[in-house]
Amino acid sequence: GAVVSQHPSWVICKSGTSVKIECRSLDFQATTMFWYRQFPKQSLMLMATSNEGSKATYEQGVEKDKFLINHASLTLSTLTVTSAHPEDSSFYICSARQGSEQYFGPGTRLTVT
Amino acid sequence: DAKTTQPTSMDCAEGRAANLPCNHSTISGNEYVYWYRQIHSQGPQYIIHGLKNNETNEMASLIITEDRKSSTLILPHATLRDTAVYYCIVRVAMVQGGKLIFGQGTELSVKP
Repeated sequence: GAVVSQHPSWVICKSGTSVKIECRSLDFQATTMFWYRQFPKQSLMLMATSNEGSKATYEQGVEKDKFLINHASLTLSTLTVTSAHPEDSSFYICSARQGSEQYFGPGTRLTVT
Repeated sequence: DAKTTQPTSMDCAEGRAANLPCNHSTISGNEYVYWYRQIHSQGPQYIIHGLKNNETNEMASLIITEDRKSSTLILPHATLRDTAVYYCIVRVAMVQGGKLIFGQGTELSVKP
């Protein structure tokens, strides 16, 4: 149990376009989901916390208008990178809360050309 | 959330026990110690957590000192597949708003 999936697993997009990443909890309902970003050879950085049916809470320094988060159902949260630029190229990882624990998705590799 | 200090890297021989230390000298009484690991280009995997008692599961053992200022994760019989970055994180319970904030972790290399 406690499986979290992400789609797509990797994506290449052109500079200036928007990209949507989906995060799903497959066998449980998640009232809270988290989005992280990881640059090469660095640790995970928490970007935002999303709660089902309400606005996401962004960490300091993360642009909420650039990284749009929607958590419309108990099993799905989406992260949209708007007007992507090469510096947004990164590994994006979501995590879902089940009870007192947190389970991670496999990550999405975004490359902006 | 309290910060943790871990060695940057460690080596371990296959089949031997891997002991990964973590210092969390500023831990608060209501903060748990969590361990996750990340194999290259994958999402983090939960290993174990504890509050003050030692814990054991099918993956590892967690030894927390009596003053709770440090802990050790023990992989009893390391295999090549245990090669990963191991993160020690302290946080309050999620119902209290606790978040998993990752530090730099320890890069464990298990060698044949």
